[in-house]
Amino acid sequence: EVQLVESGGGLIQPGGSLRLSCAASGFTVSSTYMSWVRQAPGKGLEWVSVIYKGGGTYYADSVKGRFTISRDNSQNILYLQMNSLRVEDTAVYYCARDSSGPATWGQGTLVTVSS
Amino acid sequence: DIQMTQSPSSLSASVGDRVTITCRASQGISNDLGWYQQKPGKAPQRLIYAASSLQSGVPSRFSGSGSGTEFTLTISSLQPEDFATYYCLQHNSYPLTFGGGTKVEIK
Repeated sequence: EVQLVESGGGLIQPGGSLRLSCAASGFTVSSTYMSWVRQAPGKGLEWVSVIYKGGGTYYADSVKGRFTISRDNSQNILYLQMNSLRVEDTAVYYCARDSSGPATWGQGTLVTVSS
Repeated sequence: DIQMTQSPSSLSASVGDRVTITCRASQGISNDLGWYQQKPGKAPQRLIYAASSLQSGVPSRFSGSGSGTEFTLTISSLQPEDFATYYCLQHNSYPLTFGGGTKVEIK
């Protein structure tokens, strides 16, 4: 069974850094595209980043230069390193396995950026 | 970037009603569109992929249609468990973009 479990969220001050993890089971993260999607409180869904099978990456303009997506193939974990965090980055962050778009989603982890 | 315009933003309907939600893309995206259902406090779940293919395990009362720039999600007979927010997503090109969402409420 395909399963994704996010962790690493929490309360962080503006300008701080946080690393989110997404542990995958039932498949290997290196065999497919993997995305991060976020949802600010009471708002809609916003795509954040993707890592391709070959390791290439792409980012939304809102996070480019501040966030880095990566994966650990040996541990089957997807990461999102978030630096220079802003209040507007406050959201639930979901990882998703892509198959013709995000198909299977984790349960999400809440990141709150506040002083 | 491709913009996805979803309508309506909310609707009220009764159990048994037929419900239609529309998404319009700012440029042609072939059939690279999915529909998602999200209930409060839960992760989104995909209902439809490739514009009209039903995700495994999703009830057949859900259907999708369209290609190019105009897409529709139809719920043929609304059930109590269908009250939720629905989103479209284009995956034709990066950045992926979602529609603004449609909240389906009980009349």
